[in-house]
Amino acid sequence: QKEVEQDPGPLSVPEGAIVSLNCTYSNSAFQYFMWYRQYSRKGPELLMYTYSSGNKEDGRFTAQVDKSSKYISLFIRDSQPSDSATYLCAMTRYNQGGKLIFGQGTELSVKP
Amino acid sequence: NAGVMQNPRHLVRRRGQEARLRCSPMKGHSHVYWYRQLPEEGLKFMVYLQKENIIDESGMPKERFSAEFPKEGPSILRIQQVVRGDSAAYFCASSPSGTNSPLHFGNGTRLTVT
Repeated sequence: QKEVEQDPGPLSVPEGAIVSLNCTYSNSAFQYFMWYRQYSRKGPELLMYTYSSGNKEDGRFTAQVDKSSKYISLFIRDSQPSDSATYLCAMTRYNQGGKLIFGQGTELSVKP
Repeated sequence: NAGVMQNPRHLVRRRGQEARLRCSPMKGHSHVYWYRQLPEEGLKFMVYLQKENIIDESGMPKERFSAEFPKEGPSILRIQQVVRGDSAAYFCASSPSGTNSPLHFGNGTRLTVT
């Protein structure tokens, strides 16, 4: 069983839709949770960085962490065609900041 | 991310040759990480370095792979005697500290072994 599970998609939505992306994990020691966006042939770009449980909002993006369920989510409101990319969840334990465990990535396509 | 510079962007090597991948971290960052992304797989941690020190190489294959981050110059990931299975995208990331600060990634080097 992988430490981090992420539905690879692909996920296709119409422009303006609310997108929900999710990851589950098995290691209760994970404390830092991230979402990266990766365009084709580019490196991952950090979108959200959260510590422990709770919500964090940044513009159209909201990250949720539920440590009791070992479940994290990223919501994208008013999705745009420019949001079409692969979204990667990542997490790490305390004091292992750079040793991230990534999900497989979800490929998102937003149709105009 | 323009801040972390990787070169070359594409590298083609024949089986048995050596591949050298370079990474210059963001300004002010002294912690460098290398990750590999194989087709149909997620990003996998390989190695964590600070200047002149390897901090964690638990993700490095035991043979043919090595990494360094000298006092002067970029970090180098070296793969000796490449095989087809080494074909992948190799990403470098940097951070200002090693404890719980987010990573910023470069655009990667795509290695193709023919």
